[in-house]
Amino acid sequence: QKEVEQNSGPLSVPEGAIASLNCTYSDRGSQSFFWYRQYSGKSPELIMSIYSNGDKEDGRFTAQLNKASQYVSLLIRDSQPSDSATYLCAVAHNAGNNRKLIWGLGTSLAVNP
Amino acid sequence: EAGVTQSPTHLIKTRGQQATLRCSPISGHTSVYWYQQALGLGLQFLLWYDEGEERNRGNFPPRFSGRQFPNYSSELNVNALELEDSALYLCASSRTGGRGYEQYFGPGTRLTVT
Repeated sequence: QKEVEQNSGPLSVPEGAIASLNCTYSDRGSQSFFWYRQYSGKSPELIMSIYSNGDKEDGRFTAQLNKASQYVSLLIRDSQPSDSATYLCAVAHNAGNNRKLIWGLGTSLAVNP
Repeated sequence: EAGVTQSPTHLIKTRGQQATLRCSPISGHTSVYWYQQALGLGLQFLLWYDEGEERNRGNFPPRFSGRQFPNYSSELNVNALELEDSALYLCASSRTGGRGYEQYFGPGTRLTVT
């Protein structure tokens, strides 16, 4: 069973701090990794995609991928109350007709003013 | 660039009825995905359509079906509705080819079965 696991949280950080969200996956053939943000009652919004080992930065967000450890993380610098949401990790195995994302259950983040 | 659109926003049905949900992808996207998100639960993959054909489906009964039209829009049909079908139904679209797994979601249709 291909799985993606996330700590459900809630992860609570003070405003201005760095929030660190983690995700592990079981399928070593996974090649594409995504972080989505979902506000309560809303649809998921793509924040970051990462395909190669290492770090990828976009504004206050940094995604980190370590395929050897089957681990992907998202760092949010200078956290704001508006970052309070559920963060979903999704993983894809780019193989023909098995083209679907495997989703984690998400980590709830609360940024306290 | 217009995003993914879904209609209706809310849908209320009674048990045993049929529901039809519609989705229009981002211009240039040929793949459409359907997900179910029940309250407090994770995203459950329902169906993937690409170039008018069903490419993959999740672990849902056959009463969940759909199709993709020549303009790449899609509709999801749920027959013989059950109370547990009450959920947020999300449609996403992506490009085809390359790494085209970046899925962009519509606002969802909230289906309530009474």
